[in-house]
Amino acid sequence: AQKVTQAQTEISVVEKEDVTLDCVYETRDTTYYLFWYKQPPSGELVFLIRRNSFDEQNEISGRYSWNFQKSTSSFNFTITASQVVDSAVYFCALSGTFQGGSEKLVFGKGTKLTVNP
Amino acid sequence: EADIYQTPRYLVIGTGKKITLECSQTMGHDKMYWYQQDPGMELHLIHYSYGVNSTEKGDLSSESTVSRIRTEHFPLTLESARPSHTSQYLCASSWTSGYNEQFFGPGTRLTVL
Repeated sequence: AQKVTQAQTEISVVEKEDVTLDCVYETRDTTYYLFWYKQPPSGELVFLIRRNSFDEQNEISGRYSWNFQKSTSSFNFTITASQVVDSAVYFCALSGTFQGGSEKLVFGKGTKLTVNP
Repeated sequence: EADIYQTPRYLVIGTGKKITLECSQTMGHDKMYWYQQDPGMELHLIHYSYGVNSTEKGDLSSESTVSRIRTEHFPLTLESARPSHTSQYLCASSWTSGYNEQFFGPGTRLTVL
């Protein structure tokens, strides 16, 4: 069975601080994908990144960076120089399968990030 | 940018009413999904579809039903709404091949009085 754990339920920082959101996953699949989504107060989930299990290269996109480590089954997300607009709930997700083999996404419970001015 | 739409955005309705939440996408995606999101933020998959005339139940048992008569349309229906159905409902879609990212609609916030 697949599982995603986001141990941090809520994080509060002051603007311009760096913040890291943790994600730990469990899977028996050798090929799998990991995702991060952002859910701002408006409610829509916004796709941020997809990473496959064979690509452990870290990725940077502007102020966002992702650290994928298979050895620790982690896919952490760092926001550098946080801004108030980064305030949102962030979800980590893992590709999985239903018992019948159909594909699905397994989501963590989310981390609510509040960036204070 | 993804084009997936949900209506209504907000709905307040009395117990016992029948409601349909609409979801449409213009990307030609084969796969579509419905999630229920509780106030604690956790997302629960309640229905999914891999194409026209294909619907399956998700991980969380739901009294709602869905249909997929057209590729772009995946409505969710509650025959008799109850206060326990009060929640945020999110629709999503994705391509068929591989584990592609799901694109989400803006959601419908349902309140049953």
